[in-house]
Amino acid sequence: GNSVTQMEGPVTLSEEAFLTINCTYTATGYPSLFWYVQYPGEGLQLLLKATKADDKGSNKGFEATYRKETTSFHLEKGSVQVSDSAVYFCALSIGGSQGNLIFGKGTKLSVKP
Amino acid sequence: DAGVIQSPRHEVTEMGQEVTLRCKPISGHNSLFWYRQTMMRGLELLIYFNNNVPIDDSGMPEDRFSAKMPNASFSTLKIQPSEPRDSAVYFCASSLETEQYFGPGTRLTVT
Repeated sequence: GNSVTQMEGPVTLSEEAFLTINCTYTATGYPSLFWYVQYPGEGLQLLLKATKADDKGSNKGFEATYRKETTSFHLEKGSVQVSDSAVYFCALSIGGSQGNLIFGKGTKLSVKP
Repeated sequence: DAGVIQSPRHEVTEMGQEVTLRCKPISGHNSLFWYRQTMMRGLELLIYFNNNVPIDDSGMPEDRFSAKMPNASFSTLKIQPSEPRDSAVYFCASSLETEQYFGPGTRLTVT
């Protein structure tokens, strides 16, 4: 079946540290891959996406590359800020699924000044 | 566009009462999703609609939960009767083809 596995949190970093949140997937067919972010007290927001192998999604300094050979979509940022503190969700969508997403369990990131 | 609109934003009710949560999707989107989020269970998909038709309701916890989408611009999630274990944040999301757009959520507290 289709599934997403994320590294468990919480992750605590100091400001300006390098961030990696691992995400691997299992899918039938060729999924699109997404990272969503949820700030405290808010709904999930799309952070970035990639629709085919070797695509790199990027937004707000975050990047993730669709790696078909390792079935991974790891989220990275070179220098985190306190304002990046949030929960990050990796997700996949299979073509023809009418927008239905399979989400990972989420990884909580706390950035200390 | 105003985005996905949910109401109410907060609801406090007593056990046994009926609760109705409302959602207005983004205009033009053809899929609508209801989620529940708790600390213990994380984010759970309850049900989703495509072109106003329920496609997958396997996540609906039990018969106390029901959802409707009478037209393309409105959906409800009803809990009757409510129980304390239903306390959670309920999110509605809409989609056109791929990515979903989430509403701000309704925080439900059942006492």
